[in-house]
Amino acid sequence: EPEVTQTPSHQVTQMGQEVILRCVPISNHLYFYWYRQILGQKVEFLVSFYNNEISEKSEIFDDQFSVERPDGSNFTLKIRSTKLEDSAMYFCASSAGSFRGNSPLHFGNGTRLTVT
Amino acid sequence: DQQVKQNSPSLSVQEGRISILNCDYTNSMFDYFLWYKKYPAEGPTFLISISSIKDKNEDGRFTVFLNKSAKHLSLHIVPSQPGDSAVYFCAAGQSGNTPLVFGKGTRLSVIA
Repeated sequence: EPEVTQTPSHQVTQMGQEVILRCVPISNHLYFYWYRQILGQKVEFLVSFYNNEISEKSEIFDDQFSVERPDGSNFTLKIRSTKLEDSAMYFCASSAGSFRGNSPLHFGNGTRLTVT
Repeated sequence: DQQVKQNSPSLSVQEGRISILNCDYTNSMFDYFLWYKKYPAEGPTFLISISSIKDKNEDGRFTVFLNKSAKHLSLHIVPSQPGDSAVYFCAAGQSGNTPLVFGKGTRLSVIA
């Protein structure tokens, strides 16, 4: 079964540094998402992306965050200047359609980001 | 603001018995609901969904029940198996490209 792949699985960075988290969504999917889960807390929506632009973003997704689909396969999340509170598991997801009752999100295994 | 609540952080069930995981929501605009299962070091995996026009959806050992008037849904797993041990997330959303809202999860342990 096709799957969403994320690299790296674990990223350690110093506060203030830039990080790029990478994702390869399922190839025929059109909608892409980033979620994150801070340890012990719920999975939180960050951003959704469709047709080469952001379709929705949460309050968490401030100016320090950006997403890009640089080619036909990769979907990246960039954090410009990391803060301690950015430490979390970041999940990429994709779906075939927008009505997610019939097009459920498929998640990658996540990137654990540790900011020191 | 917790729009989706899973009030039980953990649940232990004996193998072969029924597991019932509960979820409450506050936003009456939600019109579809999903359950995801998550193993350690893996991403959430889609399990089963239900739209607001139904009150029950079944897939093998998994059944989701929706009570719209109570804004409550539940996932029944029967019979429970040790491989079902995982964290189960309830998620809800509205039609169109609006983001899913997740609950905090319930850790299910199925004891052999």
